[in-house]
Amino acid sequence: GENVEQHPSTLSVQEGDSAVIKCTYSDSASNYFPWYKQELGKRPQLIIDIRSNVGEKKDQRIAVTLNKTAKHFSLHITETQPEDSAVYFCAASASGGSNYKLTFGKGTLLTVNP
Amino acid sequence: DVKVTQSSRYLVKRTGEKVFLECVQDMDHENMFWYRQDPGLGLRLIYFSYDVKMKEKGDIPEGYSVSREKKERFSLILESASTNQTSMYLCASIQGAGANVLTFGAGSRLTVL
Repeated sequence: GENVEQHPSTLSVQEGDSAVIKCTYSDSASNYFPWYKQELGKRPQLIIDIRSNVGEKKDQRIAVTLNKTAKHFSLHITETQPEDSAVYFCAASASGGSNYKLTFGKGTLLTVNP
Repeated sequence: DVKVTQSSRYLVKRTGEKVFLECVQDMDHENMFWYRQDPGLGLRLIYFSYDVKMKEKGDIPEGYSVSREKKERFSLILESASTNQTSMYLCASIQGAGANVLTFGAGSRLTVL
């Protein structure tokens, strides 16, 4: 089955700096890569996703890049703010048919220091 | 907004007890999931279901079973709770047919003594 590795496990940055979280996946059939943000005490919520036919996607201060050949994808957050502090999870899925199984990475605790 | 409701936010059970965790979604989603969340281990899939009465094992199904008698309800069952099942349990659902956005419930924190 799919295996998703996520690094780093913790990341501390100063407000205004950029943050990068990296993930690798093992199943070449995976074609959908979402990122979820979980604030303390809350449920995970989707912040951005990318499909395998796209190399990069941006949404305001966040962007995701995908390298299918190397089987890795990354989350980039620019101009970080204290409210970006949370646990971020990457995931991978080979969607299609009845299979909507998402395999998650272990998470990255991002702390943005004011 | 899709709502995924987990009936119990906090439970305390004793070793050997049978535990039921209930999850209900209100948007006619086909696919439902149970994840377990532990610090440093991320979200691990226990079981999922893509239709009524259908279920498939996830990555860590041992010690758990599930029931999906109605489309909107997906129950996680611990037949004989053990202390290593103390954890946060998250239910989620996806509509299906190309939609991949998981909507999570608020979670059920289970403590087994």
